Amino acid sequence: DAKTTQPTSMDCAEGRAANLPCNHSTISGNEYVYWYRQIHSQGPQYIIHGLKNNETNEMASLIITEDRKSSTLILPHATLRDTAVYYCIVRSRSNDYKLSFGAGTTVTVRA
Amino acid sequence: NAGVTQTPKFQVLKTGQSMTLQCAQDMNHEYMSWYRQDPGMGLRLIHYSVGAGITDQGEVPNGYNVSRSTTEDFPLRLLSAAPSQTSVYFCASSPTGGHSLLHFGNGTRLTVT
Repeated sequence: DAKTTQPTSMDCAEGRAANLPCNHSTISGNEYVYWYRQIHSQGPQYIIHGLKNNETNEMASLIITEDRKSSTLILPHATLRDTAVYYCIVRSRSNDYKLSFGAGTTVTVRA
Repeated sequence: NAGVTQTPKFQVLKTGQSMTLQCAQDMNHEYMSWYRQDPGMGLRLIHYSVGAGITDQGEVPNGYNVSRSTTEDFPLRLLSAAPSQTSVYFCASSPTGGHSLLHFGNGTRLTVT
């Protein structure tokens, strides 16, 4: 499975959009990009996933570049409750049993 | 709807002791898995199961045993605890292997002295 690279940490102002980058330059054609987040002391929570097209749900938007080598998770109006570790994962749907999470990006939303 | 329930929330063991971490889900999910989380390491897969009677190893299986006798339960056994097993353990489940619907429990914090 393709590896991902995320910044270790980032800050964001409350009410502003938070843009979280993820590089996955070795992604293959059948691999999806998934995002999860983990709020302190809780289990990770699924946010969104996509293959080629941009995706949006009630939590966030996912922008995938045309060459699929990178993506950006957008939290449109960050709140203090969005402070968490965000994980970007690339997996094939046909082989997604062995799913592990890297260190992710620690996002701190400041008032 | 309870989701994924892990017990206990906290546990302290002495080196060499054994124990079982419990995980139960009430969503009729076929796929269940165990992870450990160490500081700065993200979550690493220990064992997983794609259905009752079927288990397989993940990234870091050594020192841990699992079984899946029912769809609902997926216990993780430490036969002889070691300080290196001090960690936070998370159980997760999903309807199939499609992990876009992974549901996690709130973890068990284990300390081995």
